[in-house]
This record gives sequence, structure tokens and C-alpha cells, in this order.
Amino acid sequence: KNQVEQSPQSLIILEGKNCTLQCNYTVSPFSNLRWYKQDTGRGPVSLTIMTFSENTKSNGRYTATLDADTKQSSLHITASQLSDSASYICVVRPLNSGNTPLVFGKGTRLSVIA
Amino acid sequence: NAGVTQTPKFQVLKTGQSMTLQCAQDMNHNSMYWYRQDPGMGLRLIYYSASEGTTDKGEVPNGYNVSRLNKREFSLRLESAAPSQTSVYFCASSEFVREEQYFGPGTRLTVT
Repeated sequence: KNQVEQSPQSLIILEGKNCTLQCNYTVSPFSNLRWYKQDTGRGPVSLTIMTFSENTKSNGRYTATLDADTKQSSLHITASQLSDSASYICVVRPLNSGNTPLVFGKGTRLSVIA
Repeated sequence: NAGVTQTPKFQVLKTGQSMTLQCAQDMNHNSMYWYRQDPGMGLRLIYYSASEGTTDKGEVPNGYNVSRLNKREFSLRLESAAPSQTSVYFCASSEFVREEQYFGPGTRLTVT
């Protein structure tokens, strides 16, 4: 069964510190892997999208990495800000010929405190 | 350019009542989706419409119906609401099924 597992479930860090969120998936083969940020009470917003042939993608202070051999991805946040407090969701698109939907992880809840 | 809009933002229903959640997008996208999000469960796909005139079941379709009214609008109907349908509902759209999805702000539904 296609699954996406994220760790940790939640994380608290001090403002200005770095952190790394993990995503392990069993979806194979896959088309692309996405990281979304979801602020409380809002819909998810895309941060990065990587195809299976890419191993890193940056968006400002957010850097996603992908290791297709070990089926792992990580999202690194540099110099965290209070506004980074949100849930971060890892999403994998299976590579199928049909309209197979995305496979969502349950998310990591990040709290950045002053 | 509002992106994806959803109405209502909040709704409280009694068990057995019916209602329709509305979704509209102004990005000329072909594909639209309905998800529900429950604590500790992540987003789960209810139904999707790959293109105007087509709809398909997702992971959790029981108790729901959908209508792709036109290219812009995709509605979700609960015919007889149950407490298990208490959730936050998100609509999303994408240019095509394989492309990046853009989400609406969500509808928080409580069924008592």
C-alpha cells in the first residue's frame, strides 16, 4: 500500500534556530514529491516540488532534499521565524497512467517560539 | 484573482440534515478536488473531477455526492449528515491531475 510517514509528529524550536523534518515513503514508482505548508485555519500552500531525478530544491529559507534510493525526503528550515509555525505536509504523486490521487503524509506540526 | 474560494466558512448541522459545500476557482483549471482533514489523519481525498463533465471517487466517498457544475465550480453534498462527517473540508484545483494543486481556505463542519 502506498504510504507516506512523517517525523517527528511535532517539534518546538527557538526562533533563529534551524530544523529538519523527515518524510519516508513507500510509493513506487513515483512522479514527484511535494512539501506543503499549512498555517492554522488555512489550506495547504506548496513550498517545493521535486521529480524523482532531482535531489534538492530550495525556496528561500526552505530546502527540500530527496533520496529516491532510500525513499526519503527532508525539509530543512534555516534561521526559523515565528511565521514558520505551521504544519508541514509531505505529499507523493504515484507514477501511474491513470488519475491516481496524491498520497499525503499526516504532517509535522512545527512551533517556533521567541 | 481570488484563486480557490469556498462557502460557507463554518457550518453546524444536526444529524440527518443535508447541505452543499460550494467551491469555485478562477484559474481556468481543469481538475478539481474535495478533501477532508481530521486531526491525526492528514488530508483524505473524497471525490475529484479530472475535467469538466467527469467525477471519480477518492479514498473516502461514502456519504457524499459531488457535482461539477461547470469548469469553475465543484460542489460537495452531504445528503444525510452524520457526526462522523465532522471535519474540515478543503477544495483544491490544478491545471491537470498531475499538476500542482491550489487549495481553498476550508469549511469547518460540525455535525451534532
